[in-house]
Amino acid sequence: DSGVTQTPKHLITATGQRVTLRCSPRSGDLSVYWYQQSLDQGLQFLIQYYNGEERAKGNILERFSAQQFPDLHSELNLSSLELGDSALYFCASSPQVSGQETQYFGPGTRLLVL
Amino acid sequence: GENVEQHPSTLSVQEGDSAVIKCTYSDSASNYFPWYKQELGKRPQLIIDIRSNVGEKKDQRIAVTLNKTAKHFSLHITETQPEDSAVYFCAASRNSGNTPLVFGKGTRLSVIA
Repeated sequence: DSGVTQTPKHLITATGQRVTLRCSPRSGDLSVYWYQQSLDQGLQFLIQYYNGEERAKGNILERFSAQQFPDLHSELNLSSLELGDSALYFCASSPQVSGQETQYFGPGTRLLVL
Repeated sequence: GENVEQHPSTLSVQEGDSAVIKCTYSDSASNYFPWYKQELGKRPQLIIDIRSNVGEKKDQRIAVTLNKTAKHFSLHITETQPEDSAVYFCAASRNSGNTPLVFGKGTRLSVIA
C-alpha cells in the first residue's frame, strides 16, 4: 500500500458523459500527478499540481481538467467522454515539486466508456 | 521535450537467466532515470533509480547502468524468478520543478519456470 488512495476503482459510463476521479495523496506529499494508461500503452503524463497550483502539463485534452484542493486531494474531471477515453487513470504523489523524487502511485481508476 | 524509447516491448527468459531492458532518451539535460515495475493489475512501483553523477547502481539482483554520452540506460535483472514477471517502465527527467517524468512505453517481462 503506497498511501495514495483513488476513488472510484471502476467507472462505467456512456459517451458524452462527464465523470470525476478523486485522488488523496500520501500524508505530507504536496505534489499530485495524473497519468493515463491505455491498453498496451505506457504511462501518459496528464498534469501535475503542487500545493494547489498547476505546475506541469502533459498531453491533456481540453475536455479534461483537474484541480488540487486546500486539503491537497485532487480531482480529475473528464467531460464529453469518447470511447477512446477508456483507460486506467493513475494518480501519484511525491513530497515536493521536483520531477526527481519517487512517485507513489495509487491503485488507479479503471474507466470504461460505452 | 524529452522522448524516451524503450526496448524490447516484450521479453521472455528462462528462470535463472538474466534480463536486460534498454532505454534511450533525447534530452541531454536529463539527469534522473528511475525504473518502475508494474505487476499485473497493480500500481507502478519504483524499483531503482540512478542519477547522472554515477554510471552504475546495484540493489541485490537489480542493476542499472547509465551512459550519458550515448544517452542510454539499461536495467539488468540477474537470476530471474517468476515473481520478476511484470511490465517495467523506464523514465527520465531533468532537474526542474516544471519538467515531469517522461516514461517509456514499457517492457513486458515473462520469466518462464
